[in-house]
Amino acid sequence: EDQVTQSPEALRLQEGESSSLNCSYTVSGLRGLFWYRQDPGKGPEFLFTLYSAGEEKEKERLKATLTKKESFLHITAPKPEDSATYLCAVQENSGGSNYKLTFGKGTLLTVNP
Amino acid sequence: NAGVTQTPKFQVLKTGQSMTLQCAQDMNHNSMYWYRQDPGMGLRLIYYSASEGTTDKGEVPNGYNVSRLNKREFSLRLESAAPSQTSVYFCASSTPGTGNTIYFGEGSWLTVV
Repeated sequence: EDQVTQSPEALRLQEGESSSLNCSYTVSGLRGLFWYRQDPGKGPEFLFTLYSAGEEKEKERLKATLTKKESFLHITAPKPEDSATYLCAVQENSGGSNYKLTFGKGTLLTVNP
Repeated sequence: NAGVTQTPKFQVLKTGQSMTLQCAQDMNHNSMYWYRQDPGMGLRLIYYSASEGTTDKGEVPNGYNVSRLNKREFSLRLESAAPSQTSVYFCASSTPGTGNTIYFGEGSWLTVV
């Protein structure tokens, strides 16, 4: 059973058309939930970390929210340059100095002009 | 600010050959990681090093070995490459001082023929 499930797998939007990406997770104790952006041929680029239910963070046209079972990445009035794969990952509260991330498979976002 | 640097960027190996992927970070991070990324599978953890002098297996360690050479460097070795190890490999690092955020390198594209 996947610990992190992202939906949809792919999303195509028109420029200016707002939408949301979903990340549902199942871990016994959440230390943090991370969102990354990945462009083709590049490594994942850090966007946000959320630590507790109810927390929200914003960066330009992106806003991430967190509940006890899922996180949403809201994209408001997207532009073509927002096209990328968005990855969600969870960090379990397993104690010690183990900070490894478990990733979902990502959502490929395409924003057409 | 280089961040996480991986070499080589691209490599083609024949089945049975060995090679080492090098990784260095200049952020004074304690923990380092090796992930592989395959289509439809997402990012999967191969090995990690929570601190200098320690290494642990991740989700897919078979066929790989690692060495934490010092605080800056963490190498990944393929002793006898197999076609199933064709993938994109990402090195990453983190430290509690950055909220345990994991920062990634640009990736190494490995093809085993």
